[in-house]
Amino acid sequence: DSGVTQTPKHLITATGQRVTLRCSPRSGDLSVYWYQQSLDQGLQFLIQYYNGEERAKGNILERFSAQQFPDLHSELNLSSLELGDSALYFCASSVGGDNSYEQYFGPGTRLTVT
Amino acid sequence: GQNIDQPTEMTATEGAIVQINCTYQTSGFNGLFWYQQHAGEAPTFLSYNVLDGLEEKGRFSSFLSRSKGYSYLLLKELQMKDSASYLCAVREVDSNYQLIWGAGTKLIIKP
Repeated sequence: DSGVTQTPKHLITATGQRVTLRCSPRSGDLSVYWYQQSLDQGLQFLIQYYNGEERAKGNILERFSAQQFPDLHSELNLSSLELGDSALYFCASSVGGDNSYEQYFGPGTRLTVT
Repeated sequence: GQNIDQPTEMTATEGAIVQINCTYQTSGFNGLFWYQQHAGEAPTFLSYNVLDGLEEKGRFSSFLSRSKGYSYLLLKELQMKDSASYLCAVREVDSNYQLIWGAGTKLIIKP
């Protein structure tokens, strides 16, 4: 158990819909990262927040957005969903904001868009 | 530009030794991570190298040569549970210390 929690574990929804994925980092970690992993693909970095502020952006679509709240939990919002958005979405946390320490990954949310 | 190369898939025998290579071309290298990921599960941290040389942790060791842009992960006394993907990620100064992730190497262990 990494100490990072993600909800829900599974999500099935239809094209065009909007969903929200939630992540709680390990106690004491200030950074939250979001990743997308399609079937048999590598990890695609989406976005990082550090202590409530956006720190870095990766290959995040304009239909996707995220935020980190004062209690440091984070939400990833996916809208106008397409079939290709079906993937595992991981959240990770770390102590600092510059990747000098390892990231701890949550169990992931499996999103299926039908 | 940024580029990280790992073999897509490797096969090894239980009890043997396997070496998984990672070569990189990045702007301002500042460390390399190895993670293990079992199918459908979250990645877990294995090692972090920032200086040249070999770091040993039980059955797993990781090596780095900054001048060659090269790292490897060495797994000894392979067990069936080592069947997983192994991800290499480079910390890049010029990207504000973001991680550049390789596509991963799928390791299959046979009895």
